[in-house]
Amino acid sequence: KAGVTQTPRYLIKTRGQQVTLSCSPISGHRSVSWYQQTPGQGLQFLFEYFSETQRNKGNFPGRFSGRQFSNSRSEMNVSTLELGDSALYLCASSRRGSYNEQFFGPGTRLTVL
Amino acid sequence: QQPVQSPQAVILREGEDAVINCSSSKALYSVHWYRQKHGEAPVFLMILLKGGEQKGHEKISASFNEKKQQSSLYLTASQLSYSGTYFCGTEESDSWGKLQFGAGTQVVVTP
Repeated sequence: KAGVTQTPRYLIKTRGQQVTLSCSPISGHRSVSWYQQTPGQGLQFLFEYFSETQRNKGNFPGRFSGRQFSNSRSEMNVSTLELGDSALYLCASSRRGSYNEQFFGPGTRLTVL
Repeated sequence: QQPVQSPQAVILREGEDAVINCSSSKALYSVHWYRQKHGEAPVFLMILLKGGEQKGHEKISASFNEKKQQSSLYLTASQLSYSGTYFCGTEESDSWGKLQFGAGTQVVVTP
């Protein structure tokens, strides 16, 4: 069974630009969650999508947005990039049943210069 | 609200035991445990639900005290492969699906 895939794996952008990250969940998983991981802040929850609807949201500014498509694939967009947005962005998929264990993708390493 | 994990780090010799703790001030639906090795994604270890149900890897042991909203992960007879950073994640009862992680516990197992 294929795992969670994320593209691209690495990105370098400059301040003020925008970026779109993609996540394909495990087949049969309809929930996709996004996390930002930095050495200083750890793993921070960004948002969760299920059935093309945002179900939960973390404490991030509106520059961070996402969406989910009918095939459960998800994209995350960050506009007007800031230096502090440099991080590893992880997505995780789950079945969103009683047991909501998350299966993580390899992440996208974003560097903002 | 993010859970609080302790200790921040622990160094073990192979065969020794350790306990990692996770606590929340909120009523929880579930507690998750993940391990992340350097340069890799977090990997699911165990989930514990309020009510006592749990699911996870056979060799992993954990507990969840619902009254105190505390969970503990037990590393027994540690092996070199247990090294990594352990994260607990919590789902609060009123925001199911939103998993918030603790700061992590770095575990180093030495020969």
